[in-house]
Amino acid sequence: SQQGEEDPQALSIQEGENATMNCSYKTSINNLQWYRQNSGRGLVHLILIRSNEREKHSGRLRVTLDTSKKSSSLLITASRAADTASYFCATDGKNQGGKLIFGQGTELSVKP
Amino acid sequence: GAGVSQSPSNKVTEKGKDVELRCDPISGHTALYWYRQSLGQGLEFLIYFQGNSAPDKSGLPSDRFSAERTGGSVSTLTIQRTQQEDSAVYLCASSRPTGETQYFGPGTRLLVL
Repeated sequence: SQQGEEDPQALSIQEGENATMNCSYKTSINNLQWYRQNSGRGLVHLILIRSNEREKHSGRLRVTLDTSKKSSSLLITASRAADTASYFCATDGKNQGGKLIFGQGTELSVKP
Repeated sequence: GAGVSQSPSNKVTEKGKDVELRCDPISGHTALYWYRQSLGQGLEFLIYFQGNSAPDKSGLPSDRFSAERTGGSVSTLTIQRTQQEDSAVYLCASSRPTGETQYFGPGTRLLVL
């Protein structure tokens, strides 16, 4: 079973707006990662945040982590049509032996 | 260097036939993972290999599924006596230390008729 749960399941915004996606998980983690997937094929790693970090930035991406609430958020600022994709969070849990557990994903549509 | 490659890209088979899916990880990556993704769903962990340790097979859905990794590099996922519910995209990923960034291949789209 998947540990991560993401919301919303689908998000539709206009180009230029910000997109926020949330992820909740259940167990203690070493790190949490966000991935992007286009057209149902391979995933691309976006950003990794460790359990002792609270916020991380990479370009237009901002990730926060709240271990007390077991939740994370991914913010994409000034969205572009090319950001249209599915976004997944994945947790490296302390008792998972190194494997990642993925959420169900948020399908983002950015309209030009 | 080259990324993770998978073959075939697409596979159509008849129910009851066996299929083999191949994954070539990034050179030097000690960890290799197999996932399955059904249409519109998240990734379901299947199996992972780390170096010479025994693989973690906890995600394999039935004994029809097996995987091996030869020489610590190429991996083959075998599905015996395929069923229609096996239809999905099978994704392979590799990484250096386990739990760090995973690099994904393009996947194999399997359709069982």
